[in-house]
Amino acid sequence: SQQGEEDPQALSIQEGENATMNCSYKTSINNLQWYRQNSGRGLVHLILIRSNEREKHSGRLRVTLDTSKKSSSLLITASRAADTASYFCATASFSGGYNKLIFGAGTRLAVHP
Amino acid sequence: KAGVTQTPRYLIKTRGQQVTLSCSPISGHRSVSWYQQTPGQGLQFLFEYFSETQRNKGNFPGRFSGRQFSNSRSEMNVSTLELGDSALYLCASINSGSGAGELFFGEGSRLTVL
Repeated sequence: SQQGEEDPQALSIQEGENATMNCSYKTSINNLQWYRQNSGRGLVHLILIRSNEREKHSGRLRVTLDTSKKSSSLLITASRAADTASYFCATASFSGGYNKLIFGAGTRLAVHP
Repeated sequence: KAGVTQTPRYLIKTRGQQVTLSCSPISGHRSVSWYQQTPGQGLQFLFEYFSETQRNKGNFPGRFSGRQFSNSRSEMNVSTLELGDSALYLCASINSGSGAGELFFGEGSRLTVL
């Protein structure tokens, strides 16, 4: 079953604009991760934010985590056509002695030149 | 350091046949997870192996099975293929025994069932 739900399902913007994607989840987590997938390829890890962190930056990426609302957002600033991809959030929850990672359905981002 | 390697990258099978997919994790990674990705169902977790033991399994029928070898390489097998098994099968490895870190994905095996 999928724990994370991304919003929106699809997003279309112009180059230079910012893109914001949201992820909501249901249970307590150890960390939340964001991944990117180019069409038909494997997923690539972007950023990991721990449950005791509220915000994290990596280059043009900014991730926030609100554990009280069980939600996270991924902001891509100054988007480029090369950012066109699907973006997935994944939550790591501790159960049975180790962490289980569950992926959301993803947001398809299209950045137009 | 070599990444996660999946073979074959593409394959075509017919209904009723079986298929075996292979995954070589990053050197030193002991945990391997498998996912099925389809346009309709998204990314679905199949199973995870750690030190040759399956420690987590998704909600798939018994036709889907897997194993992990002592060198951490993993295989998954689908028997009696159905049209709905057409998908991108992704393997991922992680270097954390606790499973708390990032996953490293292979490029996937694209299975088409005719």
